[in-house]
Parts: sequence; C-alpha cells; structure tokens
Amino acid sequence: AQKVTQAQTEISVVEKEDVTLDCVYETRDTTYYLFWYKQPPSGELVFLIRRNSFDEQNEISGRYSWNFQKSTSSFNFTITASQVVDSAVYFCALSEGIQGAQKLVFGQGTRLTINP
Amino acid sequence: EAGVAQSPRYKIIEKRQSVAFWCNPISGHATLYWYQQILGQGPKLLIQFQNNGVVDDSQLPKDRFSAERLKGVDSTLKIQPAKLEDSAVYLCASSTGWGGLASDTQYFGPGTRLTVL
Repeated sequence: AQKVTQAQTEISVVEKEDVTLDCVYETRDTTYYLFWYKQPPSGELVFLIRRNSFDEQNEISGRYSWNFQKSTSSFNFTITASQVVDSAVYFCALSEGIQGAQKLVFGQGTRLTINP
Repeated sequence: EAGVAQSPRYKIIEKRQSVAFWCNPISGHATLYWYQQILGQGPKLLIQFQNNGVVDDSQLPKDRFSAERLKGVDSTLKIQPAKLEDSAVYLCASSTGWGGLASDTQYFGPGTRLTVL
C-alpha cells in the first residue's frame, strides 16, 4: 500500500535561513506521481509541484527547489532565503495510477514557521 | 479563472444534528473529490466523482455520510447524524482528468471547518 512519511512535524527558523522539508514515500508501482501542497492559515491547499516517477531531474522555481531521489524514495523540498510569508503547513502527497480512481495519499504535514 | 468554491466556511452543530456542505468545482473539471482533514493530519479522501458518477467511496462512512453530484457540476456532502469525531475541515477538490489518472493535479477549495459539540 502507498504511504507518505513527513517525519518533521514542526520546523521553526529565522527569516532568510534556508530550510528543507523531508518527504519519504512507499509504493509498489513503477509509475507514480509526487506532489507538494502548501496550506496557509486560510486553510486552502495550494498546489506547488507535480513530479512523475520517470523524471528525477531536480526542479527550481524561484526560491523553491525540489530534490527527487528514487534510490532513497525521497522527494525533499527546500526553501532558500525563507520569508515570513512562507509560514504554512506543507504536505507531500503520492498518487498511483488506478484507472478511473486516482488515489492521492497525503503525509501528515510539516508546520513551518518563519520568524522575523 | 475562478477556483473551487465551498460554503459555508464554518459550521458549529450539536452532536446528532445534520449538516450539509456545498462545493462548486473549477469550470470544466470533470472530477470532484471530498476530503476530511482532522486537526494535525493530512487530508483523507472520502469520495470521488467523475461527472455525476461515483468512482470511489470506499472510505466514506456510509451509515452517516452521503454525497451527490446530480448534474455533474456542483456537489453536496451531508452528515446525518453528526458525531463528535466528525469535527474536522472538509475540503473539496477538482481536477480536469476524465480518467482519474495518477497525473491529475487536484485543486482545492478553502474548506469548511465543522465543529461538533
């Protein structure tokens, strides 16, 4: 069965520090997708990135970067030069392909607090 | 483009009462999902619709929860009767996917925070 583990329950850093959020997943499928979502205090889950299992190239988007390593079943998320607006709960999620029924499984989330 | 709309944003009820939540997905999105998010946990899928048909309701407590998407657009999730453990945020999401593919990206609404007293 698919499973996502975010071992860091809470992280607190000072503004401008770099911070990495860890995500480890379990799946038996060879084709799967990984996602990161941000949940600010307003409650809405905001989509950040989607990655498929065949593409291990790291991705950078502004201050955000993602490191996908199939060998360790990890999909870590780094925020460079963190800002107070980055404070939120971040979720990693895994999707396996079952035709007609996408199974999206979320981790427990990491609460990130950026202090000024 | 308008996002996923949900109402109400907050609801407080007594146990054994009934409650209903409404969701309007992003225009053109065929697939609609309802999730339950208990405080401190990740969202858990309750039910998935493709157009007006149920694709997966294996985790929906059918003795008290029901959902419908009659015209293949907006959807209603109902709890009757509510229990204390139903206190949670109920999130609605939608995706364009017509086949429920693993690659579908789900877009979420702001959620309804339910408190059962």
